[in-house]
Amino acid sequence: DVKVTQSSRYLVKRTGEKVFLECVQDMDHENMFWYRQDPGLGLRLIYFSYDVKMKEKGDIPEGYSVSREKKERFSLILESASTNQTSMYLCASRDSGRAYSEQFFGPGTRLTVL
Amino acid sequence: GENVEQHPSTLSVQEGDSAVIKCTYSDSASNYFPWYKQELGKRPQLIIDIRSNVGEKKDQRIAVTLNKTAKHFSLHITETQPEDSAVYFCAAKRAGGSQGNLIFGKGTKLSVKP
Repeated sequence: DVKVTQSSRYLVKRTGEKVFLECVQDMDHENMFWYRQDPGLGLRLIYFSYDVKMKEKGDIPEGYSVSREKKERFSLILESASTNQTSMYLCASRDSGRAYSEQFFGPGTRLTVL
Repeated sequence: GENVEQHPSTLSVQEGDSAVIKCTYSDSASNYFPWYKQELGKRPQLIIDIRSNVGEKKDQRIAVTLNKTAKHFSLHITETQPEDSAVYFCAAKRAGGSQGNLIFGKGTKLSVKP
């Protein structure tokens, strides 16, 4: 059973703080993703990684960076948090060995930036 | 750019009725179309998917149809039950060497009234 976990369910930070969101998967998946979910906007891709130390920008990368030092862990970094980054953040992973494999999501981190 | 449009944004049905959610996609090279269900406070989970070489797929009370010519696909839920109440997201796989990236629709909030 695939398990994707995220370090926090709820997080409150102040404007200008550096924020780290952590995601860990235990199924040896190559691909990992970070999305943000906002009401009425669906799931929007921020960044993805297809292997260790490899990353590519998604649709809304501005204000974010990522790190993938180990295969099981994918971190999302907000260098200087702003109020418009208040959102639900979802991590996902998938097996790249199958062309049509499912993306498995983590439980989400609800970030509030004050 | 690539886009997935989803309609309606909200849908309310009586228990036992059918529900239909429709999506259109812009990239004619997309070849994989999953549907995710997100119950309140939970992570999105795959409920059904369809590949571009198939016109219809069924799994018990849910079915998905695909019209490649028109570039649209639909989710059909029959004999709806209160536990079907959730937000449903359609998605299309980006074509090319995109590592399984999905473009999501904005979601449909389905409410099934007992």
